[in-house]
Amino acid sequence: NAGVTQTPKFRILKIGQSMTLQCTQDMNHNYMYWYRQDPGMGLKLIYYSVGAGITDKGEVPNGYNVSRSTTEDFPLRLELAAPSQTSVYFCASSQTGGANYGYTFGSGTRLTVV
Amino acid sequence: QQQVKQSPQSLIVQKGGIPIINCAYENTAFDYFPWYQQFPGKGPALLIAIRPDVSEKKEGRFTISFNKSAKQFSLHIMDSQPGDSATYFCAASGIQGAQKLVFGQGTRLTINP
Repeated sequence: NAGVTQTPKFRILKIGQSMTLQCTQDMNHNYMYWYRQDPGMGLKLIYYSVGAGITDKGEVPNGYNVSRSTTEDFPLRLELAAPSQTSVYFCASSQTGGANYGYTFGSGTRLTVV
Repeated sequence: QQQVKQSPQSLIVQKGGIPIINCAYENTAFDYFPWYQQFPGKGPALLIAIRPDVSEKKEGRFTISFNKSAKQFSLHIMDSQPGDSATYFCAASGIQGAQKLVFGQGTRLTINP
């Protein structure tokens, strides 16, 4: 039972390059989220999805895009990388409803834009 | 109104002491308050959570105290151990819709032997 799997773990991009951060979960969770973590800033929500085919912006969506074609996969796309996107990116998933909530996080992707 | 403010930013405690981390929120629509624990190089993991219908919840050595009128909640770690050294995040969300968690800034906790 892998949980939430993120790839790659590390990546260095040059300014203006593009890349896709991959996220896959095997728990059949409907809800999936992308957060970025910057030192002293906590985690900020970039995009989220409540099910296949449905996505919406979070607090800091500029410079990013997402898609959700299946329940399992929720990739995050950076089109024109900028130094401000240097961060650690976390994907998470959760069940809907019920009394016990909680996100299951992946182990993160550390991205450096130079 | 969506912010969750967490303090302190860092905390050093001797083994066996009781570190306390505090959080405050503004949005009265929040009704789910979890704490996450993060070790270096790992993703955050759910530690304990509380709903506003109770003032305290204990799970092992971890306790959440909740003050609804003050819109504050805190994490206490009893008999702290060096293995508890980690970054702790409080968070808040509603329980309807997308359940989007709003996180505090994080507290780096160090437990000295």
